[in-house]
Amino acid sequence: SQKIEQNSEALNIQEGKTATLTCNYTNYSPAYLQWYRQDPGRGPVFLLLIRENEKEKRKERLKVTFDTTLKQSLFHITASQPADSATYLCALGDSGAGSYQLTFGKGTKLSVIP
Amino acid sequence: EAQVTQNPRYLITVTGKKLTVTCSQNMNHEYMSWYRQDPGLGLRQIYYSMNVEVTDKGDVPEGYKVSRKEKRNFPLILESPSPNQTSLYFCASSSSGQPLHFGNGTRLTVT
Repeated sequence: SQKIEQNSEALNIQEGKTATLTCNYTNYSPAYLQWYRQDPGRGPVFLLLIRENEKEKRKERLKVTFDTTLKQSLFHITASQPADSATYLCALGDSGAGSYQLTFGKGTKLSVIP
Repeated sequence: EAQVTQNPRYLITVTGKKLTVTCSQNMNHEYMSWYRQDPGLGLRQIYYSMNVEVTDKGDVPEGYKVSRKEKRNFPLILESPSPNQTSLYFCASSSSGQPLHFGNGTRLTVT
């Protein structure tokens, strides 16, 4: 069966450093991958989408890579700030008729320490 | 403003008392979905709908019902709530291959 692992349940980093979060998957060939941010008690908010034929996507301080050979995505936040503290979820999706359905990882809780 | 609206935000009820959590979206999305989120278990899908009058079970559908009579609304019904349905619930909507838009959640406590 499909499996998604976000390698760390929690990650603590110093303000100003680059945070790197990992999402690995098995038994799956996703057409695209998404990253969401979730604050406590709130709904996830979409950050970035990367498709299977793309290696890298950037948005301001965020960067996502997608390696379909390694079956892995890395999510980077550069120059991290305390306001970046949140739980980050990766989600994988299919193409065609299955393109609506997403499978979510359990998330990594990032804490940026001032 | 594009949004998914869930009500109520908080709900405390007793075992067996039927309840409905409403969900409405204003983006004309064909796809809507309900999730529950519990500590250590992540987001788990309850039911989803590809369009009006089309619904299907997700990973954890037992004890829940849904309906999709209109494109914008997708209510979640618990006909006989039990304490193991105490959770944080999210409604979401999207178009094909596009990001999900989530509501702000409903925190349900069943005593």
